[in-house]
Amino acid sequence: KQEVTQIPAALSVPEGENLVLNCSFTDSAIYNLQWFRQDPGKGLTSLLLIQSSQREQTSGRLNASLDKSSGRSTLYIAASQPGDSATYLCAVVNYQLIWGAGTKLIIKP
Amino acid sequence: SAVISQKPSRDICQRGTSLTIQCQVDSQVTMMFWYRQQPGQSLTLIATANQGSEATYESGFVIDKFPISRPNLTFSTLTVSNMSPEDSSIYLCSVEGNRAETQYFGPGTRLLVL
Repeated sequence: KQEVTQIPAALSVPEGENLVLNCSFTDSAIYNLQWFRQDPGKGLTSLLLIQSSQREQTSGRLNASLDKSSGRSTLYIAASQPGDSATYLCAVVNYQLIWGAGTKLIIKP
Repeated sequence: SAVISQKPSRDICQRGTSLTIQCQVDSQVTMMFWYRQQPGQSLTLIATANQGSEATYESGFVIDKFPISRPNLTFSTLTVSNMSPEDSSIYLCSVEGNRAETQYFGPGTRLLVL
């Protein structure tokens, strides 16, 4: 049974810092892995999708990596801004989405 | 946290037919949400379903195409009517957590329309 774990559960850092969010999964047989952002009162926003054959994806200040053999993915956020404050969720996709519990990120001005 | 299950987990359907997706929550919740994620796109909110009232649909979604039922505080269904290949998506059920800023998502229903 696939299990997805996100560490840390919460993170508070000063503006401008580079940071890494972690996602681990127990079954490497995945179709893809997705990182989402969840803002209070709003739906989810898809940030990055990494196919199982890929090792990383980049979008602006975001970089997501995937290491299937070790069951790990990281989301790297460069030069963090207060607007990055949100809950970040990773989801492993086979034919369904298996969700991590999320990392609540607070960027202090 | 809430535990959400969806049925079916996936299905392959012929165009012109309809599919009803079920969402079951292990606790009573006021608001349930239905999303879809089309290939390569972000999650899109279809509608919000409150028990005892008609669902509220987002722009671009109509009740005739996506009828929703909410018979009690733990269950909802979403029907995708008169399906076309463009309806091929993952459909997700979601509920609000105890804190307003949290939401819990089901595992999704992967639909392929041929």
